[in-house]
Amino acid sequence: DAKTTQPPSMDCAEGRAANLPCNHSTISGNEYVYWYRQIHSQGPQYIIHGLKNNETNEMASLIITEDRKSSTLILPHATLRDTAVYYCIVRVVSSGSARQLTFGSGTQLTVLP
Amino acid sequence: NAGVMQNPRHLVRRRGQEARLRCSPMKGHSHVYWYRQLPEEGLKFMVYLQKENIIDESGMPKERFSAEFPKEGPSILRIQQVVRGDSAAYFCASSPRGMVDTEAFFGQGTRLTVV
Repeated sequence: DAKTTQPPSMDCAEGRAANLPCNHSTISGNEYVYWYRQIHSQGPQYIIHGLKNNETNEMASLIITEDRKSSTLILPHATLRDTAVYYCIVRVVSSGSARQLTFGSGTQLTVLP
Repeated sequence: NAGVMQNPRHLVRRRGQEARLRCSPMKGHSHVYWYRQLPEEGLKFMVYLQKENIIDESGMPKERFSAEFPKEGPSILRIQQVVRGDSAAYFCASSPRGMVDTEAFFGQGTRLTVV
């Protein structure tokens, strides 16, 4: 699976959009971009994933650049409960692969009141 | 639909004892993953199981650790003769199709403390 690079920490004001970047310059064509987060002491929580098109769900939006070498997770209106470590994970997804998720260091997002 | 259930949430063991951690996957999920998170560190993959089969145990320590996922009942992560370095949070995740185009759902973890 391709390696990802994320800033170690970011702050965001409550109510504002939080934009979390992720670089994955060695991503290959069959690798998806996944985002998870881990709120302190809890189990990781799935947020969103995508291949090359931008994706949106009730939690967030995922913007993937055209060359797929980077992506941005957007939390449109951050709340204090969004304070967590956010993990960007790139992995192959196919019926023949039994790949697990490989977590890096992630970005500690702190939402400030 | 209940989420992934792990128990106990907290477990205290003395050095040399055995620790048994249980994970009940979400209904309809037959794939289970175990992760370990040492204090102030990231999540590390340990083992991936499908019903009655170990698919990938590349992250499991070679000694004292074992995992099973029987046909009936929860998945069990077993640590024999625990040492202080085993103190960590152990998370279980499940998925319906081995994370093929789906996400994995994590439990709230078991926090093991070895005294």
